[in-house]
Formats: sequence, structure tokens, C-alpha cells
Amino acid sequence: DTGVSQDPRHKITKRGQNVTFRCDPISEHNRLYWYRQTLGQGPEFLTYFQNEAQLEKSRLLSDRFSAERPKGSFSTLEIQRTEQGDSAMYLCASKAGTTDTQYFGPGTRLTVL
Amino acid sequence: AQSVTQLGSHVSVSEGALVLLRCNYSSSVPPYLFWYVQYPNQGLQLLLKYTSAATLVKGINGFEAEFKKSETSFHLTKPSAHMSDAAEYFCAASIQGAQKLVFGQGTRLTINP
Repeated sequence: DTGVSQDPRHKITKRGQNVTFRCDPISEHNRLYWYRQTLGQGPEFLTYFQNEAQLEKSRLLSDRFSAERPKGSFSTLEIQRTEQGDSAMYLCASKAGTTDTQYFGPGTRLTVL
Repeated sequence: AQSVTQLGSHVSVSEGALVLLRCNYSSSVPPYLFWYVQYPNQGLQLLLKYTSAATLVKGINGFEAEFKKSETSFHLTKPSAHMSDAAEYFCAASIQGAQKLVFGQGTRLTINP
């Protein structure tokens, strides 16, 4: 068990550019979650996958955001045409279906200039 | 709608003093409740959780929390603060059967020598 990993840890981009983040969950965890955390706030739910199926999306996930988990293992979160308001920490978590605890990765901090 | 409120965005205590971080939830049914800790530039680490078993829950690093249904509370305590406890603490809730966690806004704990 190597924990949830995220890549990159930091990303600085210019407004209007596209960015993609990757999350590798704990092996054998079939559920994967994305959250967004802005400065001074708690994380907010964005979306979650059970295996490769995206089962819930928050209204926070605008049409510029897309998430995938093509083989039910790692997941990617893409933001198109980034805006300054997208600057935040993007957290990934995973959970085994039989448990109630989500395990979080270290996050990807996005700064949009 | 489910919500979590943490009273006090910043708590400061002396080393060796009692730590008390407050959390209240709003839910039509008793949720599962969690406390996570976040150190700077890191992800969230689970401290403890309540999942409808014992109402007094013990976690890591000497922390414990008590679920009080009548008060809709799940306050976090530690009898004696240590310098290493300085961090951001988040209370979170999930409705049984639901997937997403709903977080409070967080409480920053400062320990004075």
C-alpha cells in the first residue's frame, strides 16, 4: 500500500491554457474521488468514479472540467481554458467499496496567472 | 441539505493544554462523521471516524471525539497539546450510503510554547 499519489504536485499556468492532473489511487480501491480546496476553505466535492464509471458530478464541475478513469485504475482531471478562479488545490481520494474511509493524496496545487 | 459547521477558524492553545475543536452537523439522519488533519502543502490524513458504533471514538495521536446526537455535534479533543499538533483540522460528514464527503471550513490550530 503506497498511498494515493498525484502528479504534478504544483502547476502554474496562464489563463486560457489547458491543464491535466493525474491521480493514482491505492491499488484495489474501486472508488475514486476528486475534490477542490480553495484557500482557507474545506475541500468541496467535484466528482467520483466507481471503477471506470463516473457516477456523480457536482454542479461545481463546469463544462470546462472533465474527468476520466478509463481502465478503472488511475484518473485524470482536465481543465480547459483555465481561469484565475480555478486556482486551488485539487485533491484526489480513493476508497474500497466495502469501507467508509476515503484516503487522500497530497494534492495538486494549481495557480492560474 | 447536509452541512458541517466548525466553530472558530483559528484556535490557539499552549503546549500541554486541552485542545477542543468544535464541529456541528446538519442532517436529517445521523451521518458518518470524520476528522481529518492537514499539514502545510499536504493532503488530508484521517484522525478518527464515527460510523454509528461507539459514540466516543479514539483516534491517532491521542485525539478523541464524542458523537452527541442531541446536540448534533462531534467535537474533537486532546487532553494535552503538543507542538506537532499545529495544523489545519477538518470535520466532514457523509450520509450513510452516499459517497461524497461534506467538509467544514476548517480550524487552524496553533500551539504556543
